[in-house]
Amino acid sequence: DAKTTQPNSMESNEEEPVHLPCNHSTISGTDYIHWYRQLPSQGPEYVIHGLTSNVNNRMASLAIAEDRKSSTLILHRATLRDAAVYYCTSHNSGGSNYKLTFGKGTLLTVNP
Amino acid sequence: ETGVTQSPTHLIKTRGQQVTLRCSSQSGHNTVSWYQQALGQGPQFIFQYYREEENGRGNFPPRFSGLQFPNYSSELNVNALELDDSALYLCASSLTGTAETQYFGPGTRLLVL
Repeated sequence: DAKTTQPNSMESNEEEPVHLPCNHSTISGTDYIHWYRQLPSQGPEYVIHGLTSNVNNRMASLAIAEDRKSSTLILHRATLRDAAVYYCTSHNSGGSNYKLTFGKGTLLTVNP
Repeated sequence: ETGVTQSPTHLIKTRGQQVTLRCSSQSGHNTVSWYQQALGQGPQFIFQYYREEENGRGNFPPRFSGLQFPNYSSELNVNALELDDSALYLCASSLTGTAETQYFGPGTRLLVL
């Protein structure tokens, strides 16, 4: 299973961009990179995913390195509601077992 | 569209007891995955069920078992509870595919005394 490494914590100011890095150097060629976030007392919430190309959705952007050994989740304008633990996960698509492998995540604090 | 629901929300058991946790998947989803999340850690994959069959298992002992029903709801059973089983148990539903999003429920907080 691919291991992901993230900073334990990061801090941002409201309405500023946030770049959350993730290292996944052992990821296989067919594993997708998924990002989830978890607010206190809630289950994880899907943010974005990608395989090789950069991806954008209404919540965030995902920039994937050309060698796929790292990726960066970009929140374009952080709000107080974005304060959460952000998990970078590998999505094992080998065979029929589509499990998510989570690391410890990055605790994002957003200052008003 | 109804989201993923789990019951109960909280549970207290004593060591050696057995527990059953329940999960109702999101409408239209045929796959359920269970995760264990210890305090301060990321979720760890326990197992996945697809169309009532186990479809993969993480590094958990056999006393962790599960079921999926024809309506795709699921149960997680843990026998002979140990103190280290205290955790948040998360259920996630999805449509099986190559990169499907998993939709998580709010979890069941289990405390083993």
